Amino acid sequence: ETGVTQSPTHLIKTRGQQVTLRCSSQSGHNTVSWYQQALGQGPQFIFQYYREEENGRGNFPPRFSGLQFPNYSSELNVNALELDDSALYLCASSEGTELAKNIQYFGAGTRLSVL
Amino acid sequence: AQKVTQAQTEISVVEKEDVTLDCVYETRDTTYYLFWYKQPPSGELVFLIRRNSFDEQNEISGRYSWNFQKSTSSFNFTITASQVVDSAVYFCALSEAPGNQFYFGTGTSLTVIP
Repeated sequence: ETGVTQSPTHLIKTRGQQVTLRCSSQSGHNTVSWYQQALGQGPQFIFQYYREEENGRGNFPPRFSGLQFPNYSSELNVNALELDDSALYLCASSEGTELAKNIQYFGAGTRLSVL
Repeated sequence: AQKVTQAQTEISVVEKEDVTLDCVYETRDTTYYLFWYKQPPSGELVFLIRRNSFDEQNEISGRYSWNFQKSTSSFNFTITASQVVDSAVYFCALSEAPGNQFYFGTGTSLTVIP
């Protein structure tokens, strides 16, 4: 086990709703990155949080937003849900922001279904 | 453009066979890192290995080995004497240093048949 926990495990929402996903990072890790993994695809980088601020974003619209708390845990919020948002959302924690040099440890993900 | 290509979508092998998973990457940076992750049915991505662009030495860890060739932009992964527990989706990934972007390939689903 990686020590990274995500909740909830599964979630069903309808189009237009808002959702919040949660992630607790591994002890000692100050950086959290979020990924979206569509069915049959590789994970796509959404954004990274460090010191409670967004520190880099992939090609995702502003309706994807996040928070990081003083204990380094994090939330991913998605507004105005679309059908294409249905995916496995993965959270990864690391000791630093440079993902080349700091190994990421992943949680088991939250499976979001948008109907 | 896809930075990491895993052309093999699905592979099935019989237990104890050797299997090689291919990975081709694309980058203009001179400093970069390559990774392999394993994703079992539980969903959690498990880190397997990281190599930097300056180290082309092949690596062996138990039944796993990795072949990094900059000349062909490839970082292939071989499992020797495969076991049923090796069944999973395997992802190759690239990160360009410095930076906080991480690019996964589309994955190769490996099924080991007993």
